[in-house]
Amino acid sequence: EAQVTQNPRYLITVTGKKLTVTCSQNMNHEYMSWYRQDPGLGLRQIYYSMNVEVTDKGDVPEGYKVSRKEKRNFPLILESPSPNQTSLYFCASSSVTGEMNTEAFFGQGTRLTVV
Amino acid sequence: AQTVTQSQPEMSVQEAETVTLSCTYDTSENNYYLFWYKQPPSRQMILVIRQEAYKQQNATENRFSVNFQKAAKSFSLKISDSQLGDTAMYFCAFGPISNFGNEKLTFGTGTRLTIIP
Repeated sequence: EAQVTQNPRYLITVTGKKLTVTCSQNMNHEYMSWYRQDPGLGLRQIYYSMNVEVTDKGDVPEGYKVSRKEKRNFPLILESPSPNQTSLYFCASSSVTGEMNTEAFFGQGTRLTVV
Repeated sequence: AQTVTQSQPEMSVQEAETVTLSCTYDTSENNYYLFWYKQPPSRQMILVIRQEAYKQQNATENRFSVNFQKAAKSFSLKISDSQLGDTAMYFCAFGPISNFGNEKLTFGTGTRLTIIP
């Protein structure tokens, strides 16, 4: 089954304690992206990756890091989480065809609370 | 930069009725995609329908259809014969034509739709 898998689905942590949210896709997609969802703001892009070892900032990258060592994995790293990073996070992947924006597949979401 | 506006934060409708969710967007691009995503209480993001800007014909998927007005930059979603399972947050999103660049989706702020039994 084609899917994007995020872990964990729920996480409560304390300010300053480094954490990683994992994302893995089994569709051999080149493009992967992280979004955060906040009430009244919709979803906003944090970082994206067009292929292995190619990453770039989205609209709200401050306080986040990513890596793309393998095509299937795209972890989101919070080196020193702060309460303003409390949010719902989504990983998404899609295939880059050069001509069309194909359907983006989303993970199940990770609800992060930083206290 | 693109912007997407959903002016209806919340809507409710009786089961079996028809409801229309509005969405407007702003872009300088000529070719692009528009999407409606559904987010039920499970939080999963589910693609409802997609419209290519270069196609004049409005997209339809069973009970879901869109009214795409390119000149007005309007992209509304109509749900016919609404069902309890349609209760969800609905997001309108703009997607660029990929040129091996950032395929970022730009989302609206969402409309929370409640179907009343």
